[in-house]
Formats: sequence, structure tokens, C-alpha cells
Amino acid sequence: DGGITQSPKYLFRKEGQNVTLSCEQNLNHDAMYWYRQDPGQGLRLIYYSQIVNDFQKGDIAEGYSVSREKKESFPLTVTSAQKNPTAFYLCASSRGQYTGELFFGEGSRLTVL
Amino acid sequence: GNSVTQMEGPVTLSEEAFLTINCTYTATGYPSLFWYVQYPGEGLQLLLKATKADDKGSNKGFEATYRKETTSFHLEKGSVQVSDSAVYFCALSGVSNFGNEKLTFGTGTRLTIIP
Repeated sequence: DGGITQSPKYLFRKEGQNVTLSCEQNLNHDAMYWYRQDPGQGLRLIYYSQIVNDFQKGDIAEGYSVSREKKESFPLTVTSAQKNPTAFYLCASSRGQYTGELFFGEGSRLTVL
Repeated sequence: GNSVTQMEGPVTLSEEAFLTINCTYTATGYPSLFWYVQYPGEGLQLLLKATKADDKGSNKGFEATYRKETTSFHLEKGSVQVSDSAVYFCALSGVSNFGNEKLTFGTGTRLTIIP
């Protein structure tokens, strides 16, 4: 079955550590996205990528980094510079011609101890 | 910029009740409008969409009509079931600062259906 796989589902981190969240898709979609979800704030866009080897900052990119070396993969690194990293992170993808129909993974919940 | 305002939750209804979740938007141009649903412990799924004024999106008994005159896209269902318990997000598509299309989401409305 085609879809988006995020891992790990749950992750705990000590302050000052970088962590990388994995996102893999087998839908052959060109575009991929990372969102952050916090209670009462909906979804906020962190980074997105329209094609391989290219990505753009979203609304809240500070303290995060991404790479897009392969079409299927779009990992997100939460760096120690991110002041409030505890959140639910969602990866999504869409076809190249963006129609608003995003396909989401099941999410990764990061907790900073 | 673009924004979406949703009815604040949580919303609790009895099974078979009528559901309305309000959504209004602010946008330039002619955005497309969407409702996404998030079941417990899962990512979001597209529930329905409408791409132009007066269009009605529908799926799984849910409906929403794109009302340009009132800038609204309210979600309705005639008879809810326990399995409809989820968080519902209204969203619109628009143009980002980089000239690419992007989605703007509302804050979400948590719906709980009691048997």
C-alpha cells in the first residue's frame, strides 16, 4: 500500500540534543512538507520541498533543518536552537501540481525532558 | 495574509444529532477550501473540498458549501455516529511568500459523540 511512514512514533530528548525525525513516502509525490501541531494552534508549516535538492522555509523554520536528497525522503532535524521543541510533528506529501490535497503520515511525538 | 477561523471546541453531541462546525476565512483571490479530519493517534485525512464559489463538497455523509458572500465553509452532517469522534480542521489554499501554493489551517475543533 502507498503511503507516508514517519518514525519514530514517540521520541524523548534531553535539552541540548539534536534529534532527527524520519519521513518516507512511496506515493511518487514531488512535494513534501513538515508541520508542527500544538494544542489550540492547529498546524504550522515548518519546511516544505517541491523537488529533490530544493526546500523552502515555512512559517516557523527557526531551530529546524531539513534535507531532500531523495524524492522519497524528507527528514527533519530538531536542533538544540529550537526553544520549545515538545510537540507533535506531521509529515505530508502532495503531487507536484499542488491541489491542496495533502497525504499525511501518522506523526511523531517529541518530548523534551 | 490568509487566515481561517474555526468554531472553538470541544463539541459534544449525542449519536444521531445534527452537526455544524463553523468555519470562516480571510483570503485574497479565489482560494480552494478543505476540511481535514484527524482520528485519535493518526495523521490528517482529507474529508472534502470545494474549489470555487457555490461548490458543495461531500463525503461520508458530511457536506460543506463554499459561500463567497459570507466567506464561510461550514461543515454539516445530518446524523453523527460515535465513529465520527475526531478533530476537524478547516483549511484554505493560497499563495505563499515564495509564490508557491500553500495550505493555511484553522486551529481544529474536537468532536466527541456520545452513544
